[in-house]
Amino acid sequence: DTEVTQTPKHLVMGMTNKKSLKCEQHMGHRAMYWYKQKAKKPPELMFVYSYEKLSINESVPSRFSPECPNSSLLNLHLHALQPEDSALYLCASSHSERGYNEQFFGPGTRLTVL
Amino acid sequence: AQKVTQAQTEISVVEKEDVTLDCVYETRDTTYYLFWYKQPPSGELVFLIRRNSFDEQNEISGRYSWNFQKSTSSFNFTITASQVVDSAVYFCALTMNRDDKIIFGKGTRLHILP
Repeated sequence: DTEVTQTPKHLVMGMTNKKSLKCEQHMGHRAMYWYKQKAKKPPELMFVYSYEKLSINESVPSRFSPECPNSSLLNLHLHALQPEDSALYLCASSHSERGYNEQFFGPGTRLTVL
Repeated sequence: AQKVTQAQTEISVVEKEDVTLDCVYETRDTTYYLFWYKQPPSGELVFLIRRNSFDEQNEISGRYSWNFQKSTSSFNFTITASQVVDSAVYFCALTMNRDDKIIFGKGTRLHILP
């Protein structure tokens, strides 16, 4: 199984809602990532988990809260988002957090904040 | 500072033509890794190739080939006999051995016209 899955595919939420994005991989990878991608831009790194511990937080606002319940799962909890947070949210995984590892990406969740 | 430059924002070619996507990188590290990823309209980034800084051999995979030249800090990607399915955004990326952050170029949007 060489796949990273993400749910939901699409999400529309109001600024007062609380929602969660989910990501799962069964490749035995020990590093998992959240990226945010705006239209016609490259992905921007948000968070990195290495061996289920948060290793990088790229100064992301606290309205985004990551969680890694186990080595296969990664969640992104959303609360009180702003319209400018509308974007494609991509999850990725790699064998470890070292730079020589390619990352495997999921199909993303297209988030719209009204 | 590390940087990846993809000067071609958008390219359109007719099917069966060859096309080269340019990538120029900057880093002071001696150990680094270069990647190409493809992002079709579905949104998922697909890993295409990784090259480490000590391996300047060119690579060919079917219709795809890559030319890595340290002397010009370039890692160009050529598609031979392009097909409509090659239409996508292509990202060149750079990582260093010491961490797991990917530095993406801004991407080149490739249109293959039937």
